[in-house]
Amino acid sequence: AQKITQTQPGMFVQEKEAVTLDCTYDTSDQSYGLFWYKQPSSGEMIFLIYQGSYDEQNATEGRYSLNFQKARKSANLVISASQLGDSAMYFCAMISTGENKLVFGAGTILRVKS
Amino acid sequence: DAMVIQNPRYQVTQFGKPVTLSCSQTLNHNVMYWYQQKSSQAPKLLFHYYDKDFNNEADTPDNFQSRRPNTSFCFLDIRSPGLGDAAMYLCATSRDLSTDVFYEQYFGPGTRLTVT
Repeated sequence: AQKITQTQPGMFVQEKEAVTLDCTYDTSDQSYGLFWYKQPSSGEMIFLIYQGSYDEQNATEGRYSLNFQKARKSANLVISASQLGDSAMYFCAMISTGENKLVFGAGTILRVKS
Repeated sequence: DAMVIQNPRYQVTQFGKPVTLSCSQTLNHNVMYWYQQKSSQAPKLLFHYYDKDFNNEADTPDNFQSRRPNTSFCFLDIRSPGLGDAAMYLCATSRDLSTDVFYEQYFGPGTRLTVT
């Protein structure tokens, strides 16, 4: 069975600094996709970034980048130049050929300080 | 432009009184999902539709039902809400299901259900 682990229940970061949110995963499937979602207090889940298991390059989307280390089964999200609006819950999730549904981690609450 | 729309945003119902939550999408996606999310927890998948094919999660209570009358709309029916069903209900869509390509899910703003 698939499993996503986010070991940081909460994180603080100073505005304009970079922050890394950790995510490790466990799967026996060779083909899978990893996602990060942001959930502000309003409740909507916002898709941030995707990494496929066969992608050789780390995914980047604006200020978001995914540090994908396949051998370590980790998919950390890096947010550069943090902004106050980045304060939210962040979920790491995966889907694979063996279990065709999103499996979420427990989430990390990020607070950006001014 | 809203792509996944959920109505209402807030719903209050009485214990045992049936309630229906609605979701619509303008993306023409094949797959629609319903999740339940309780406070400070990850979303929990209740079921999904792939086109007209309904897929129920094994641990979804019978109290929860769903309908998808057409591509654009999907409904969540809670037949006899209990206090434990108070939660945020999220609808999501994805373009397709494939073993080769994994498509992101687009979520609606959610409906926050209160049971009194």
